[in-house]
Amino acid sequence: NAGVTQTPKFQVLKTGQSMTLQCAQDMNHEYMSWYRQDPGMGLRLIHYSVGAGITDQGEVPNGYNVSRSTTEDFPLRLLSAAPSQTSVYFCASRPTGLYEQYFGPGTRLTVT
Amino acid sequence: AQSVAQPEDQVNVAEGNPLTVKCTYSVSGNPYLFWYVQYPNRGLQFLLKYITGDNLVKGSYGFEAEFNKSQTSFHLKKPSALVSDSALYFCAVRDIKRAAGNKLTFGGGTRVLVKP
Repeated sequence: NAGVTQTPKFQVLKTGQSMTLQCAQDMNHEYMSWYRQDPGMGLRLIHYSVGAGITDQGEVPNGYNVSRSTTEDFPLRLLSAAPSQTSVYFCASRPTGLYEQYFGPGTRLTVT
Repeated sequence: AQSVAQPEDQVNVAEGNPLTVKCTYSVSGNPYLFWYVQYPNRGLQFLLKYITGDNLVKGSYGFEAEFNKSQTSFHLKKPSALVSDSALYFCAVRDIKRAAGNKLTFGGGTRVLVKP
């Protein structure tokens, strides 16, 4: 298994541009999440999904959209990038019945 | 609301000495508690968890953690630190009442530096 994969690894955007961060997992996990990591603030939950077709907001959802059309994929969309969205983004998944999450390698995003 | 505090930004320890990374939490009900480790330019890796049962939990790479309900703490420990343990460590909590979703709350992280 490849586990949780994320693309791209690095991205630079200009303010106002849009883009999609990709996340995929091949472990048939029902639960998937997106977090952002900022220095001294740990990881904060952006959006999560409990299964295909079901998504919900986390702690910091503003400026981000998600969809879950398949079990495997959970893309994160930035509609109009802002410098405050400069961060490292992590996707995670876990199977039903287990409590620990499996994290992807992250995407480092810079918005200028 | 649930929260996690890691009071130390950095912990320095000599190789071979005991390592402790502190974590306190706040939840309205009973907690699920986790420790994760992050090596440079990598994602987070799961170390151990407390769900129920024995207060002393053993995990990967020789780490263990002790759940103390009265002090609302879940400190991470390793009896003899290695240089390769140098990394960023995160404590996380989930309220047991929140049966659905992934509302895991992370602490700010503690950087561990093990010197030879």
